[in-house]
Amino acid sequence: AQTVTQSQPEMSVQEAETVTLSCTYDTSESDYYLFWYKQPPSRQMILVIRQEAYKQQNATENRFSVNFQKAAKSFSLKISDSQLGDAAMYFCAYRGRQNNNDMRFGAGTRLTVKP
Amino acid sequence: DTGVSQNPRHKITKRGQNVTFRCDPISEHNRLYWYRQTLGQGPEFLTYFQNEAQLEKSRLLSDRFSAERPKGSFSTLEIQRTEQGDSAMYLCASSLLYEQYFGPGTRLTVT
Repeated sequence: AQTVTQSQPEMSVQEAETVTLSCTYDTSESDYYLFWYKQPPSRQMILVIRQEAYKQQNATENRFSVNFQKAAKSFSLKISDSQLGDAAMYFCAYRGRQNNNDMRFGAGTRLTVKP
Repeated sequence: DTGVSQNPRHKITKRGQNVTFRCDPISEHNRLYWYRQTLGQGPEFLTYFQNEAQLEKSRLLSDRFSAERPKGSFSTLEIQRTEQGDSAMYLCASSLLYEQYFGPGTRLTVT
């Protein structure tokens, strides 16, 4: 079964600095999707960035980028120029391409941004 | 607002009572998902609909849980004979392709 591991329960970063959140996953599938979701306190989960496994190029969305290492089954999120509004729980998620129903989430990393 | 909506946002109930939650997906999305999230954990998959058909149920979904999606639009999740262990955030998400969009969740507290 697919599992997603986020080994950093908490991280902190100084405002305007860069932080990297780690995620590893385990799968026997060759084609899949990976996602990072952000969940601010008492607010709904929003999609930050996604990566298709068949694409070698790392996804980028403004200040957010990923380092996707397929062989190592690693999918880290880099947040550049961190802002106070980036403070949230960040969840890494996996979904197989053929499986439309079961998205697996990691336990999350709580990011604190210090002014 | 064209996002996923969920009602109620909070529900407090006594053990043994039945509760029902509603999810309204993004209108053009044919796939709808229910998840449960406990404090400090990521969401756990409960069940999935494609249009009105419930195609998958997790082993987490005991016989006390039932979900429906009549006419392939909104969905309801009912929990019968609630237990304290049912206390959690219940999240709904919808999708058209591979990205899931989440609602704000319903926080259930069973006393």
